[in-house]
Amino acid sequence: AQRVTQPEKLLSVFKGAPVELKCNYSYSGSPELFWYVQYSRQRLQLLLRHISRESIKGFTADLNKGETSFHLKKPFAQEEDSAMYYCALLTGNQFYFGTGTSLTVIP
Amino acid sequence: NAGVTQTPKFQVLKTGQSMTLQCAQDMNHEYMSWYRQDPGMGLRLIHYSVGAGITDQGEVPNGYNVSRSTTEDFPLRLLSAAPSQTSVYFCASSVQGQDGYTFGSGTRLTVV
Repeated sequence: AQRVTQPEKLLSVFKGAPVELKCNYSYSGSPELFWYVQYSRQRLQLLLRHISRESIKGFTADLNKGETSFHLKKPFAQEEDSAMYYCALLTGNQFYFGTGTSLTVIP
Repeated sequence: NAGVTQTPKFQVLKTGQSMTLQCAQDMNHEYMSWYRQDPGMGLRLIHYSVGAGITDQGEVPNGYNVSRSTTEDFPLRLLSAAPSQTSVYFCASSVQGQDGYTFGSGTRLTVV
């Protein structure tokens, strides 16, 4: 069963525009959710986790249990934000990743 | 502190060959995992370990074996390589899962 859904494979926005990368999850327990980023030809890096409620590189994500969503947002996209973004759900000892969204920020 | 180190970075195998992908971490992390990354499918968990001597299967374990004899090392063995195992493999480790994982730089494997 698909536990994490990222409906957009590709997303393009202009520099300075707001960006939202969608993530929905399916889990009956109390979810622990993460966003990872992978820049071109680099390893995956933890971007943020909902439990810490932090803002990294201007990105934020709010857990909405009613909508089972954990969308990633940034008010003003920058060219260096172009990357692959993965939403991940931790259940027990296992991480489940979404299929990823490739974000392109157009200059 | 090297983090998570994977070797080799690239490998080409013939169908039926066996090999071991190496993963080592120097952060004294208990949790280690292997993922494969395929276009359009994201990352899928192959095997994971919550400590030395303890391993378990993930979503796609068939064709792979793991062992965890030490905290530092978590090798992934392909018993008889198949073209369907062509992928990029990532090893990751964590103190505990809820801290998030630190990923290695990946191994790009091609099976011909």
